[in-house]
Amino acid sequence: AQTVTQSQPEMSVQEAETVTLSCTYDTSENNYYLFWYKQPPSRQMILVIRQEAYKQQNATENRFSVNFQKAAKSFSLKISDSQLGDTAMYFCAFMKLLYSGAGSYQLTFGKGTKLSVIP
Amino acid sequence: EAGVTQFPSHSVIEKGQTVTLRCDPISGHDNLYWYRRVMGKEIKFLLHFVKESKQDESGMPNNRFLAERTGGTYSTLKVQPAELEDSGVYFCASSQAIAADTQYFGPGTRLTVL
Repeated sequence: AQTVTQSQPEMSVQEAETVTLSCTYDTSENNYYLFWYKQPPSRQMILVIRQEAYKQQNATENRFSVNFQKAAKSFSLKISDSQLGDTAMYFCAFMKLLYSGAGSYQLTFGKGTKLSVIP
Repeated sequence: EAGVTQFPSHSVIEKGQTVTLRCDPISGHDNLYWYRRVMGKEIKFLLHFVKESKQDESGMPNNRFLAERTGGTYSTLKVQPAELEDSGVYFCASSQAIAADTQYFGPGTRLTVL
């Protein structure tokens, strides 16, 4: 079974600064996907960024980038130029890649990191 | 394009009562997932539908939970009878036919069992 650990329950960052959220995972699988989801207060969860384990290049989406270290099983999220709208709960998630068609592409989540951006 | 919707947004019931949660996935999405987050814990997988069929229900906690997906469209999750430990936020997500595609989440239903 897979586990995902987010060791920072809460973090804060000044507006326009950079912050890094940590995520580690444990798996015996070689092929999988990793995700960061964001849930703003009273709003629904949306995908921030996605990384395929077979890709060595770190994924980037505008101000959001990841540092994917497969050997260390680490998948941190860096938010540059933080904005007030980045205030949210951030969840790291793991998805095993299936080949046989059996089973489901369920997500395994960490407990989340509550990020507050301070004006 | 409408996103995933869930109804109700909040539900407060007493122990022993029945509650039914509804999820409407994004139109055309074959895959529908239910997850639950109990306060202070991780979001946990409950089950997965492919169209109207249950692909994986390994996360369902016990037989008090019953999920259906009528005609491969919307899904319901019924809890009968509800217990205190069922309190939490129930999320629904959907994805397209390519099963490893991104899952789009609904806003969740907050269930409180008193």
